[in-house]
Amino acid sequence: GAGVSQTPSNKVTEKGKYVELRCDPISGHTALYWYRQSLGQGPEFLIYFQGTGAADDSGLPNDRFFAVRPEGSVSTLKIQRTERGDSAVYLCASSSPERASEQFFGPGTRLTVL
Amino acid sequence: AQKVTQAQTEISVVEKEDVTLDCVYETRDTTYYLFWYKQPPSGELVFLIRRNSFDEQNEISGRYSWNFQKSTSSFNFTITASQVVDSAVYFCALSPSNTGNQFYFGTGTSLTVIP
Repeated sequence: GAGVSQTPSNKVTEKGKYVELRCDPISGHTALYWYRQSLGQGPEFLIYFQGTGAADDSGLPNDRFFAVRPEGSVSTLKIQRTERGDSAVYLCASSSPERASEQFFGPGTRLTVL
Repeated sequence: AQKVTQAQTEISVVEKEDVTLDCVYETRDTTYYLFWYKQPPSGELVFLIRRNSFDEQNEISGRYSWNFQKSTSSFNFTITASQVVDSAVYFCALSPSNTGNQFYFGTGTSLTVIP
């Protein structure tokens, strides 16, 4: 595709529910990143995939958060038992093997936990 | 520790004025990359520039210019002759070489250009 796409653009859920956020990276990009951006803050790193495997998941805040990338392309960020503090914009980025340090970001999914 | 500081939270300028956005970083890595991203109200982060730690040459791209100084660990961004379309939040980011390309972002500077 032309750019990184993320769905849904907005998600409203209730405390305790399970949510899935999807990221479709730029075609050919092998690296994929998830970030979380709270209001008035810069994005904070959550997890990084190289191909199908999670190369670095040190940013995941706790075991309620999990992400997969089974075929090395689309990734899903999964949040269990959501809490109000999970409300944020979740950003996905991807990068190519040739310019691995240059990340291209999607529009984000705004998650609101009521 | 890796850290990026953008001390300016909000800046307002009148159209056609020049404005400089400050960025100071901390890292123990000798090899790293620095970036600037623009986040307009639509929310999508737009890549502006990448600099590696071995290249201190300043760069100019149209009305944008960047001043990288390792001696002061700064990577400042100047917009010349600002325009209303420049209104956005600007983020500086650091990517050390040993963290698998993880980015460390500053808290951003919100720029408002008044017509």
